[in-house]
Amino acid sequence: DGGITQSPKYLFRKEGQNVTLSCEQNLNHDAMYWYRQDPGQGLRLIYYSQIVNDFQKGDIAEGYSVSREKKESFPLTVTSAQKNPTAFYLCASSPSGPIAEAFFGQGTRLTVV
Amino acid sequence: GNSVTQMEGPVTLSEEAFLTINCTYTATGYPSLFWYVQYPGEGLQLLLKATKADDKGSNKGFEATYRKETTSFHLEKGSVQVSDSAVYFCALRNSNSGYALNFGKGTSLLVTP
Repeated sequence: DGGITQSPKYLFRKEGQNVTLSCEQNLNHDAMYWYRQDPGQGLRLIYYSQIVNDFQKGDIAEGYSVSREKKESFPLTVTSAQKNPTAFYLCASSPSGPIAEAFFGQGTRLTVV
Repeated sequence: GNSVTQMEGPVTLSEEAFLTINCTYTATGYPSLFWYVQYPGEGLQLLLKATKADDKGSNKGFEATYRKETTSFHLEKGSVQVSDSAVYFCALRNSNSGYALNFGKGTSLLVTP
């Protein structure tokens, strides 16, 4: 089945540690995105990539980093510089262009203790 | 910049009641518009979309019409079911961010028997 897979579903880390969230898609989509979801705040864009080996900062990129070495994969690293990392993280992919829908993974809930 | 505003929740309705969730947008040009639904602990699923003015998107009894004159995309359903209980997000594709989706803050819907 085609789809977008995020792992793990739940992740616990100690404060000050970097952590990497996985996102893989087999939909052959060029574009991939990372969002952060907090209660009452909707979804906010962290990073996006329109093509392999290229990515751009979104609205809240500080304290995060990404890579796009393969079309299928767009991992997100939450660094120790992110001041409030506990949140629900959603990855999405879509064909390029203005009208296509985006497909979402099931999300990773990160808790930093 | 591009933005989406949707009505605050939570919205509580009895089964078979009529549903309206208001959504208005600010954008340059004529972006594609979307409604996504999120069930607890899950990612987002596309509910419906419209790509140009006066288009009507529909799915599973839900409908929304792209109104250019009022910059609106209100979600409606004639008779809600308990299984419709979820969070609903209005979104547009933002040409300034690689066509990433800009989301409203979400409207929580609870349908009671």
